Amino acid sequence: IAGITQAPTSQILAAGRRMTLRCTQDMRHNAMYWYRQDLGLGLRLIHYSNTAGTTGKGEVPDGYSVSRANTDDFPLTLASAVPSQTSVYFCASSGTGTSSYNEQFFGPGTRLTVL
Amino acid sequence: GDSVTQMEGPVTLSEEAFLTINCTYTATGYPSLFWYVQYPGEGLQLLLKATKADDKGSNKGFEATYRKETTSFHLEKGSVQVSDSAVYFCALSDRGFQKLVFGTGTRLLVSP
Repeated sequence: IAGITQAPTSQILAAGRRMTLRCTQDMRHNAMYWYRQDLGLGLRLIHYSNTAGTTGKGEVPDGYSVSRANTDDFPLTLASAVPSQTSVYFCASSGTGTSSYNEQFFGPGTRLTVL
Repeated sequence: GDSVTQMEGPVTLSEEAFLTINCTYTATGYPSLFWYVQYPGEGLQLLLKATKADDKGSNKGFEATYRKETTSFHLEKGSVQVSDSAVYFCALSDRGFQKLVFGTGTRLLVSP
């Protein structure tokens, strides 16, 4: 069981280029999330999806877009990368059962550098 | 809006020392509280959680008690090990919502 996989592991990107970060989960979780992790700021939510076909904006959505065509995949796209998007990006997923909280499981992260 | 404040690190301890990492929160509702741990080069893992006031979460020797009166959720461990070296994140989630609000993280360094 892989859990959550992310690709690529790391990437150096020229400013202005388009980039898609991939995220796939095999736990059949309904909800998925994208966070960015920056030193001194912790993790901040970029976008989320409560179920396939729906998405929502998090705390820092500008410059990013997502899609959720199916349960397993939740790609994050930077349409035109800027240096301030240099960060480590984490994908996460959780079930949406009857308990008051469903644990979020995190992928290993993608380290993105925009020059 | 909701927020979480953690003590700044790094926290540097010798093996078998007592650990406390402070965490306080601000929330409009009645949140659930969590501690996540991030080992070097890895994603975050849930360490423990508490869903209502006075609950104590515990795991791997770590404990934290949900204190509504002081809006705190301090992480403690009686005797740390070198393998506990990691970054620890306090987080909250408002009831009924799945989205997490994280603190900035506290790096713990344990030396032999």
